[in-house]
Amino acid sequence: AQSVTQLGSHVSVSEGALVLLRCNYSSSVPPYLFWYVQYPNQGLQLLLKYTSAATLVKGINGFEAEFKKSETSFHLTKPSAHMSDAAEYFCAVRETGANNLFFGTGTRLTVIP
Amino acid sequence: ETGVTQSPTHLIKTRGQQVTLRCSSQSGHNTVSWYQQALGQGPQFIFQYYREEENGRGNFPPRFSGLQFPNYSSELNVNALELDDSALYLCALRGDLGVLQETQYFGPGTRLLVL
Repeated sequence: AQSVTQLGSHVSVSEGALVLLRCNYSSSVPPYLFWYVQYPNQGLQLLLKYTSAATLVKGINGFEAEFKKSETSFHLTKPSAHMSDAAEYFCAVRETGANNLFFGTGTRLTVIP
Repeated sequence: ETGVTQSPTHLIKTRGQQVTLRCSSQSGHNTVSWYQQALGQGPQFIFQYYREEENGRGNFPPRFSGLQFPNYSSELNVNALELDDSALYLCALRGDLGVLQETQYFGPGTRLLVL
């Protein structure tokens, strides 16, 4: 069975500070992993994905994530937060051969000026 | 821009009514999935259609049903609406070629309010 845990439903950082959003997963088979961002009253936009190639994945808007199999983690980072990064972030997993994405409960990122 | 469109953007219904939500894209995609996102939650998988047939379903009752048409547009139908059906409904299209098959691209969603 697959599951996703996002630690911290709400994270606040100062503008220019490091952003770290945590995601741990459980899966019985090697998964595909995704981070999506959702701005208010909008759908989901793909930030980045891990599909068994390089373990360090670079995405849009300066975000990156590292797949660590030993820790079953896929944490999202950005070196310097920008006001426009304020949004809800969702980690998702899809097992190989499965049809659907399984999402975490999300982390709301607030950026303080 | 994902090129995925959904209609309507907002909808208000009353308990017991039926609703139809629609999803389409500028280019053809064989696979479409529907998700329900309740307030403050992550999206939950409802079902998936591939070449006009349902080929996967989450933990949703049969009153949630769907269709996929030859032009790859899709509908989500919900009968006998309940208050808990109030949510943002998202459709997602999967890429058809190579590595794009691993990625789902979401539309902007339809926000349904059941009174």
